[in-house]
Amino acid sequence: SAVISQKPSRDICQRGTSLTIQCQVDSQVTMMFWYRQQPGQSLTLIATANQGSEATYESGFVIDKFPISRPNLTFSTLTVSNMSPEDSSIYLCSVDRGNYGYTFGSGTRLTVV
Amino acid sequence: AQTVTQSQPEMSVQEAETVTLSCTYDTSESNYYLFWYKQPPSRQMILVIRQEAYKQQNATENRFSVNFQKAAKSFSLKISDSQLGDTAMYFCAFWSNSGYALNFGKGTSLLVTP
Repeated sequence: SAVISQKPSRDICQRGTSLTIQCQVDSQVTMMFWYRQQPGQSLTLIATANQGSEATYESGFVIDKFPISRPNLTFSTLTVSNMSPEDSSIYLCSVDRGNYGYTFGSGTRLTVV
Repeated sequence: AQTVTQSQPEMSVQEAETVTLSCTYDTSESNYYLFWYKQPPSRQMILVIRQEAYKQQNATENRFSVNFQKAAKSFSLKISDSQLGDTAMYFCAFWSNSGYALNFGKGTSLLVTP
């Protein structure tokens, strides 16, 4: 199964600033996914990132707020821009293992103060 | 759109006992996959068990088993011989070829007590 290295594991940021989260996969994957998990909540899909094309965003998420890069088949970044306390969440990246479900990174716990 | 419902926000079980977590889903698809994921305090999402809808036999993985009732659209997780390390959030999830992302339920917080 794919192993995903996600960084940073946690951060405390000032409002108005931006944070970039990185995910590195140990094998090539077509699709990578970014999820948000607000405190005490389930996982919500932010966007899907395919290499060589623009990310596809879910309803309620926009590229200006959550720009995503996918420069190659093993790497992706998610930026949380112009942060506010409402952005305090756990952010997780994930890769598609097809019918076997998804493998997840270890998550980034973001606190905006 | 598929929906996944977990009606038990919190559950508690004593060590060595058996507990069942409930999950129901709604879909018009005939071919799909169902999963249970575990999220301990470390935040890591861990796949516990999966079930393919076209298979009638219930999946089992050591102490974890499912009761898959396709007609009732029910997919419960049974944990036998509960251990303290089973304390975690458990999420039921749905996947089909018509979409490309997992659809999660709201989760059940399981506490295993000594």
